[in-house]
Amino acid sequence: NAGVTQTPKFRVLKTGQSMTLLCAQDMNHEYMYWYRQDPGMGLRLIHYSVGEGTTAKGEVPDGYNVSRLKKQNFLLGLESAAPSQTSVYFCASSRVGLADYEQYFGPGTRLTVT
Amino acid sequence: GENVEQHPSTLSVQEGDSAVIKCTYSDSASNYFPWYKQELGKRPQLIIDIRSNVGEKKDQRIAVTLNKTAKHFSLHITETQPEDSAVYFCAASLNAGGTSYGKLTFGQGTILTVHP
Repeated sequence: NAGVTQTPKFRVLKTGQSMTLLCAQDMNHEYMYWYRQDPGMGLRLIHYSVGEGTTAKGEVPDGYNVSRLKKQNFLLGLESAAPSQTSVYFCASSRVGLADYEQYFGPGTRLTVT
Repeated sequence: GENVEQHPSTLSVQEGDSAVIKCTYSDSASNYFPWYKQELGKRPQLIIDIRSNVGEKKDQRIAVTLNKTAKHFSLHITETQPEDSAVYFCAASLNAGGTSYGKLTFGQGTILTVHP
């Protein structure tokens, strides 16, 4: 099993450009999450999904959109990139259940907006 | 919403010493507290977690303690080794298993350096 994968690994954008980050998981998990990681601020939740076709806002959703058309994929979109969106983006997934809340993270995408 | 504060931001120890990282949380309804380790350039990985119905949990050289009354929890690493050097994050989940859908609020992270 590959677990959680993310593409691309690195990307440089100019201000105003758009892009989509792809997260895929092969563990049949119901829940998926997008975080951003900035120095000294830990990981902050952008959006999350509790199942195919559902999405919800997290702590820092402004400037991002998401979609979950298939259970195994969770896409994060930036419509008009801004320098403040320079960050490392992590996707995670977890199963539904009272016995296991562990979130499994992808390898991350380093995004620079100039 | 939940707020998690983590201290210290950096911690330097000699190999073989113990290391302690502390976190406080704001919402008394939080009931799940994981700790993640992140090596440089890598993804965060769960190392230990604790539920609110337990006061302490151990796994070999690492342990976590929870004080629900004071709303704080701590990570203890004994007999530290250079390979323990990493960034450690605490987190809290509000009503894990229920309507929170597993959402985590993370602390700011602690950079642990273990000197040989």
